[in-house]
Amino acid sequence: EVQLVESGGGLIQPGGSLRLSCAASGFTFGSYAMTWVRQAPGKGLEWVSAISTSGASTYYSESVKGRFTVSRDNSKNTLDLQINNLRAEDTAVYYCARVASMTLSMGWFDPWGQGTLVTVSS
Amino acid sequence: QSVLTQTPSASGAPGQRVTISCSGSSSNVGSNTVTWYRQLPGTAPKLLIYSNNQRPSGVPDRFSGSKSGPSASLAISGLQSDDEAHYYCAAWDESLNGWVFGGGTLLTVL
Repeated sequence: EVQLVESGGGLIQPGGSLRLSCAASGFTFGSYAMTWVRQAPGKGLEWVSAISTSGASTYYSESVKGRFTVSRDNSKNTLDLQINNLRAEDTAVYYCARVASMTLSMGWFDPWGQGTLVTVSS
Repeated sequence: QSVLTQTPSASGAPGQRVTISCSGSSSNVGSNTVTWYRQLPGTAPKLLIYSNNQRPSGVPDRFSGSKSGPSASLAISGLQSDDEAHYYCAAWDESLNGWVFGGGTLLTVL
């Protein structure tokens, strides 16, 4: 069974840092690009970041560029998101997802993990 | 403000057909494939339609997607009470070099 399990969320003060992880199982992790999507409380989905199969290419939304860093370890089947200089507006559930399709521009997200909640507050 | 525009809410009676629209531009919907996701309260989103009109296994043919130029739509026929959910469209945006989502449509079955 294909499974994605996020971890690392929690309550963090503004300006702080956090590292989210996503453990993948049930598929050949290194053959798929991966992505992070977040959802603020009561709001819609917002794409955050993506990473190519090898990790050589990374992509970020304008709202997180420069503060978030996505990485992966294909030997451990893990996807990470390092979040620095956290702001109140970063408060959200963060989902990792597998990107289907060899071409990112034609890709879709399936499956999604259950999400991990990041709360930024003093 | 989402890059892709969806009407915030839609509704229909059981058995009826409802359409949810997604409006974008030439840099996203107009030039790339559209995906639809469904999200039940308190749960992670799930893939509903990919590549504009393809259904993953397990998604009934009551759900169909279409695209024309910079707009796409999701049609749900034979509405059932458990179709109540948020529905989101998404597409890659060439200008932003990343994916963009619609703001989501909350479907209510009357």
